[in-house]
Amino acid sequence: DVKVTQSSRYLVKRTGEKVFLECVQDMDHENMFWYRQDPGLGLRLIYFSYDVKMKEKGDIPEGYSVSREKKERFSLILESASTNQTSMYLCASRKGPSNTEAFFGQGTRLTVV
Amino acid sequence: GENVEQHPSTLSVQEGDSAVIKCTYSDSASNYFPWYKQELGKRPQLIIDIRSNVGEKKDQRIAVTLNKTAKHFSLHITETQPEDSAVYFCAARTDTGGFKTIFGAGTRLFVKA
Repeated sequence: DVKVTQSSRYLVKRTGEKVFLECVQDMDHENMFWYRQDPGLGLRLIYFSYDVKMKEKGDIPEGYSVSREKKERFSLILESASTNQTSMYLCASRKGPSNTEAFFGQGTRLTVV
Repeated sequence: GENVEQHPSTLSVQEGDSAVIKCTYSDSASNYFPWYKQELGKRPQLIIDIRSNVGEKKDQRIAVTLNKTAKHFSLHITETQPEDSAVYFCAARTDTGGFKTIFGAGTRLFVKA
């Protein structure tokens, strides 16, 4: 059973803080993704990584960076948190690059005050 | 850029009726179309997917149809039950040029008992 685990379920941070969201998967998946989920906008891709130390910008990378030092871990970094980054953040992983199912983490609800 | 449009945004049906959710995509090179179900407070999970070489796929009460010419695909749920109530996301992905999956905005389905 694939497990994608996000380090926190809920986070409250102050404007300007540096925020780290961690994601770990235990199935040796090559591809990992970070999405944010907002009402009416669905899932929007922030960054993805297709291998260790590889990263690619998604559709909304501004204000974010990522780190993939180990295959099982993909970190999302908010360099200086702002209130418009209040959202649900979802990590996903997939055995890639072929057409296979993506497995999601349980999500981190981040509130920036 | 690539886009997936999903309709309706909200759908309310009586238990036992059918529900249909429709999506259109813009990238003609898309060749993999998964559907995810997200129950309240839970992570999205794959319920069915279809590849571009197939026009229809069925799994018990769930079916998906694909019209490549029209760049249109739909989810059909028959004999709906209260536990089908959730947010459903369609998505489209292209094998070539990267690993991005573009999601629709989601449909909130209510099944009334």
